[in-house]
Amino acid sequence: DAGVTQSPTHLIKTRGQQVTLRCSPKSGHDTVSWYQQALGQGPQFIFQYYEEEERQRGNFPDRFSGHQFPNYSSELNVNALLLGDSALYLCASSALAGLDTQYFGPGTRLTVL
Amino acid sequence: GQNIDQPTEMTATEGAIVQINCTYQTSGFNGLFWYQQHAGEAPTFLSYNVLDGLEEKGRFSSFLSRSKGYSYLLLKELQMKDSASYLCAVRGLMMNRDDKIIFGKGTRLHILP
Repeated sequence: DAGVTQSPTHLIKTRGQQVTLRCSPKSGHDTVSWYQQALGQGPQFIFQYYEEEERQRGNFPDRFSGHQFPNYSSELNVNALLLGDSALYLCASSALAGLDTQYFGPGTRLTVL
Repeated sequence: GQNIDQPTEMTATEGAIVQINCTYQTSGFNGLFWYQQHAGEAPTFLSYNVLDGLEEKGRFSSFLSRSKGYSYLLLKELQMKDSASYLCAVRGLMMNRDDKIIFGKGTRLHILP
């Protein structure tokens, strides 16, 4: 049984560019949450998707957007990249519409130059 | 607002016991999680408390007091591989009655031989 998977593993972009990160949830999970984790900090909640809709959102600008597909996989898009967007981006999936425990993917390390 | 506090760093000796504390202030409470995160890796689930008391799972135990907004993670018979960051996370309630999981900044635990 595959766990949560994310792609790519690492990514290097320049300021102003756009990036798309992908996540496939653990089998049987219907909810996907995205987090940004800066070095030495805890994960910061970006948003959560359930039934292909954004259900909750943290304190992130509209440059951060997402999508969930019918197979429950999800994408995180970030437009107009800033140097401060450099971080580890974590995807976590859970069952029972998000009420069950979250399990994290390995993350995507984004570096903005 | 929501706030989660835990010590930044702790040091303990192999074979000993260590207690990592977490205090929280959230608008509503729907459970508290502990995650372990090794450097450069994704967080892995350790425990979940929703009722007061102690939950024991092998060498790890987690305690919750909802009235005090307090939890701790207890690690026994410490091993070198326990060197990691330990994240406290609380599921709260937002004004619109949705819930989201908020993470603390993590406690970096160093194990000495």
